[in-house]
Amino acid sequence: DIQMTQSPSSLSASVGDRVTITCRASQSISSYLNWFQQKPGKAPKVLIYAASSLQSGVPSRFSGSGSGTDFTLTINSLQPEDLATYYCQQIFTLPWTFGQGTKVEIK
Amino acid sequence: VQLVESGGGLVQPGGSLRLSCAASGFTFSSYSMIWVRQAPGKGLEWISYINRSGSTIYYADSVKGRFTISRDNAKDSLYLQIDSLRDEDTAVYYCARERWGDYWGQGTQVTVSS
Repeated sequence: DIQMTQSPSSLSASVGDRVTITCRASQSISSYLNWFQQKPGKAPKVLIYAASSLQSGVPSRFSGSGSGTDFTLTINSLQPEDLATYYCQQIFTLPWTFGQGTKVEIK
Repeated sequence: VQLVESGGGLVQPGGSLRLSCAASGFTFSSYSMIWVRQAPGKGLEWISYINRSGSTIYYADSVKGRFTISRDNAKDSLYLQIDSLRDEDTAVYYCARERWGDYWGQGTQVTVSS
């Protein structure tokens, strides 16, 4: 199975900060990488698909980059409503695996 | 687009449940579907996929042989038959559209306990 490793596991940042979350795959997954946001008590919501494509309706402060094994989710100008856990997921090879999550807190 | 799961509940180890996912707001038969679960306080785990016609199905090893995914395109519904339940199957079960999960339901809780 492809292992997805996110870092950091958690972070605390202030409103307006730029936040970066990284995701590393144990082998190349091309650009078959999605990013999800899960707010407390809610279902996950896709933010980014195919590594860098912004899902319709998602604020433009969210962006994704990378290919192969190393990927990044960036939140420009963190907002209070961005309090959530963020997950990366590869859909290159079965089983489709998720990272362990990055919990983002607001200072 | 709306996905609404149902059928969860409290069940004893070794028991069975049938989860349903009712789809609306889109042409259900045109989309593949997946099930994903989340154990209490844990991350997300993909468990099953079914293509538009139901002719292609995949499972995670952790549920293979115990879980069965199916769909009824005439009823705009997705199903997950879960048998031989174990304590570690306790989780919120989500259905989602497409293998990359562009829309998700709110989830249904399955609790396995004696």
